[in-house]
Amino acid sequence: AQSVTQLGSHVSVSEGALVLLRCNYSSSVPPYLFWYVQYPNQGLQLLLKYTSAATLVKGINGFEAEFKKSETSFHLTKPSAHMSDAAEYFCAVSSGDYGGSQGNLIFGKGTKLSVKP
Amino acid sequence: DAEITQSPRHKITETGRQVTLACHQTWNHNNMFWYRQDLGHGLRLIHYSYGVQDTNKGEVSDGYSVSRSNTEDLPLTLESAASSQTSVYFCASSRTRTDTQYFGPGTRLTVL
Repeated sequence: AQSVTQLGSHVSVSEGALVLLRCNYSSSVPPYLFWYVQYPNQGLQLLLKYTSAATLVKGINGFEAEFKKSETSFHLTKPSAHMSDAAEYFCAVSSGDYGGSQGNLIFGKGTKLSVKP
Repeated sequence: DAEITQSPRHKITETGRQVTLACHQTWNHNNMFWYRQDLGHGLRLIHYSYGVQDTNKGEVSDGYSVSRSNTEDLPLTLESAASSQTSVYFCASSRTRTDTQYFGPGTRLTVL
């Protein structure tokens, strides 16, 4: 069975500081991995996704994530935080081309990012 | 522009009533999903559909049902609403099973 663990339900950084949001996954098949962002009172928006091509994935708004198979991790980073980055971030895994419920996403519990001026 | 919409955006109902939440997408996507979002749980899959007349149960399907009579719509029905179903509900769609899922704006449901 697949699962996702996001370390830290709440992360606070200063404006201009590095953002690091942690995600570890469990999957018995090669995974597809996603990061979504949710702004207050809105739906989820895709930040980036990994689908077994390059291990370093660049997304929107300056975010990127690195797939590390040996660590079963897919941490999200951004070199310099902006106030507008304050939101909740969700990591998700799917079985991609494998498994009976192909494409179904399993979400982590989310990490709320606060950015201090 | 193609989009995915949900209605109503907010709903208050009473325990025991039947409630239907609408989801409509104009991308012509085959796959549609319903999730609920609760504090501390992230998003959990309720039901999903891979095409017309196809429906499947997700992780938390008890008390919910869906039907898929056309490509564009996947309504979610709570047969007899319970206070435990107070939540924010999100609909999503994707072109293929491995493609990105696009989310609607959500429906906040309160069951009193």
